[in-house]
Amino acid sequence: SQKIEQNSEALNIQEGKTATLTCNYTNYSPAYLQWYRQDPGRGPVFLLLIRENEKEKRKERLKVTFDTTLKQSLFHITASQPADSATYLCALTDSWGKLQFGAGTQVVVTP
Amino acid sequence: GAVVSQHPSWVICKSGTSVKIECRSLDFQATTMFWYRQFPKQSLMLMATSNEGSKATYEQGVEKDKFLINHASLTLSTLTVTSAHPEDSSFYICSASSGREETQYFGPGTRLLVL
Repeated sequence: SQKIEQNSEALNIQEGKTATLTCNYTNYSPAYLQWYRQDPGRGPVFLLLIRENEKEKRKERLKVTFDTTLKQSLFHITASQPADSATYLCALTDSWGKLQFGAGTQVVVTP
Repeated sequence: GAVVSQHPSWVICKSGTSVKIECRSLDFQATTMFWYRQFPKQSLMLMATSNEGSKATYEQGVEKDKFLINHASLTLSTLTVTSAHPEDSSFYICSASSGREETQYFGPGTRLLVL
């Protein structure tokens, strides 16, 4: 069966450090992968999309890598700030073209 | 750009009543809209996909007669939870896509509590 796995444990990190989140998937052959941010009681907000032929993508303090051999994406928040505290969701399009989400990893940035 | 709104943001209703949730794309035309449900600490689960002017496609296990979806225009989709029961209490989120890109833009969600 198709699975998207993200660290279920919250990531606690000190302000200014780099947070690194992992997304592993099985039985998908995605043409692209997306990362979203979700705050409590809110809908997800799109952050980045990376295609299978792109190894790395950056947007401001965010960086995403995509390794289709390892079937893994890494999501980095550099120079983290308390405002970055949220849950980050990895999402892939399945065989039927539907977006499937991982359960998300909560990030807590402390001053 | 790419703003999606939902109304209401939260609703409390009695068991057996029906609740309508609206989803609007404010600054783009949404050829496709999606409805998700999310339980606490869990991932978003797709309920149905709707294309403007056609019937919605429901995911396995989602009762189409209970969750009525209407996508009457390129900027509005509605989800009606009919004869709501306490187990329908959840966080309902819609998203919209223009069809020209892969990204979905999400609404802020609607918290439903059925007493």
